[in-house]
Amino acid sequence: KQEVTQIPAALSVPEGENLVLNCSFTDSAIYNLQWFRQDPGKGLTSLLLIQSSQREQTSGRLNASLDKSSGRSTLYIAASQPGDSATYLCALTGAGSYQLTFGKGTKLSVIP
Amino acid sequence: GAVVSQHPSWVICKSGTSVKIECRSLDFQATTMFWYRQFPKQSLMLMATSNEGSKATYEQGVEKDKFLINHASLTLSTLTVTSAHPEDSSFYICSAPNRGQETQYFGPGTRLLVL
Repeated sequence: KQEVTQIPAALSVPEGENLVLNCSFTDSAIYNLQWFRQDPGKGLTSLLLIQSSQREQTSGRLNASLDKSSGRSTLYIAASQPGDSATYLCALTGAGSYQLTFGKGTKLSVIP
Repeated sequence: GAVVSQHPSWVICKSGTSVKIECRSLDFQATTMFWYRQFPKQSLMLMATSNEGSKATYEQGVEKDKFLINHASLTLSTLTVTSAHPEDSSFYICSAPNRGQETQYFGPGTRLLVL
């Protein structure tokens, strides 16, 4: 059974810093990996999707990488802003399925 | 982009009553929808997969007779929490994959509080 772990559980940084969020998974037979953002009491917003054949994806200040062999993904946020404060979730899809397996998330606080 | 709505966004009910939550895909058809539950400070846990025109598939440990799912059309799935108890209080989120886009669109969630 796939297990997804996100470290750290919470992170607080001053505005302007670059930061990295980590995600690890136990089964490398994945179809794709997604990073989501969740604001308190809200649904999820998809940030980046990486196919299993890809190594990274970029969108604005966000860069996500995927290393299937080591079972790891990172989400890099450049020049963090207070508006980036949210919980970031990593989720995987297995081959032939839409089902997502989520990590517990990293709660990010960017201090002005 | 594709939009998924949920109704209601908030519901408070007495123990023993039933609550229905709707999940709609607004600008695309979804033959499959997923229902997740999220307890405080926990991640989303898949409860069941809703299939249009057929029975839902439930994850291990989820009581199908308690969490009734109906996917009557290509744009609507409903989750009914029957005889709700305080331990059912949670944040329920649905999602729908847009065919061919390999991603899922999530609803805004429904917060259920059972007194």
